[in-house]
Amino acid sequence: AQSVTQPDIHITVSEGASLELRCNYSYGATPYLFWYVQSPGQGLQLLLKYFSGDTLVQGIKGFEAEFKRSQSSFNLRKPSVHWSDAAEYFCAVAGGSYIPTFGRGTSLIVHP
Amino acid sequence: SQTIHQWPATLVQPVGSPLSLECTVEGTSNPNLYWYRQAAGRGLQLLFYSVGIGQISSEVPQNLSASRPQDRQFILSSKKLLLSDSGFYLCASSTGGNEQFFGPGTRLTVL
Repeated sequence: AQSVTQPDIHITVSEGASLELRCNYSYGATPYLFWYVQSPGQGLQLLLKYFSGDTLVQGIKGFEAEFKRSQSSFNLRKPSVHWSDAAEYFCAVAGGSYIPTFGRGTSLIVHP
Repeated sequence: SQTIHQWPATLVQPVGSPLSLECTVEGTSNPNLYWYRQAAGRGLQLLFYSVGIGQISSEVPQNLSASRPQDRQFILSSKKLLLSDSGFYLCASSTGGNEQFFGPGTRLTVL
């Protein structure tokens, strides 16, 4: 069975500071990995995805994530956070069944 | 890319009343369709998914049901709502095992 852990429920950063959101997954083979963002009262939007190849993937809005097989991690990073990045972030893993498993989410708070 | 439409956007219903939430998809054909519920401050709970017309898989036993009468239409229903059915309902679509595209959601409040 596949699972995802986002260990941080809330993360607070100052605008302009760097950001790293943690995601650890459990899956027996090479997984499909995703990061989504959700603004309050809205649906989820895909930030980036990893299927294979280069382990550092670039996404929209200046986000990137790195797949580390040895650590079973897929952490999301951004070098400089903007106030508009305040939102809920979800990591997801999918295996052969194409039914993704989502983490519980990390709420990002940005201080001016 | 795919566009997911959901309606209504918000709904307030009394306990025991019926429910019908609709989801339609544009920009693709033969998608996998999903219904999720998101309770306040919590992650996404997969309720149903469908790989084709009339094919519905239920992930969580409850008083909700789903139907897929057309390729790009997915409906979530209930005959009698419970207080615990309150939440934010999201429809999603995917093609070929790729990423999911989400609709804007329906906020359901059961009183």
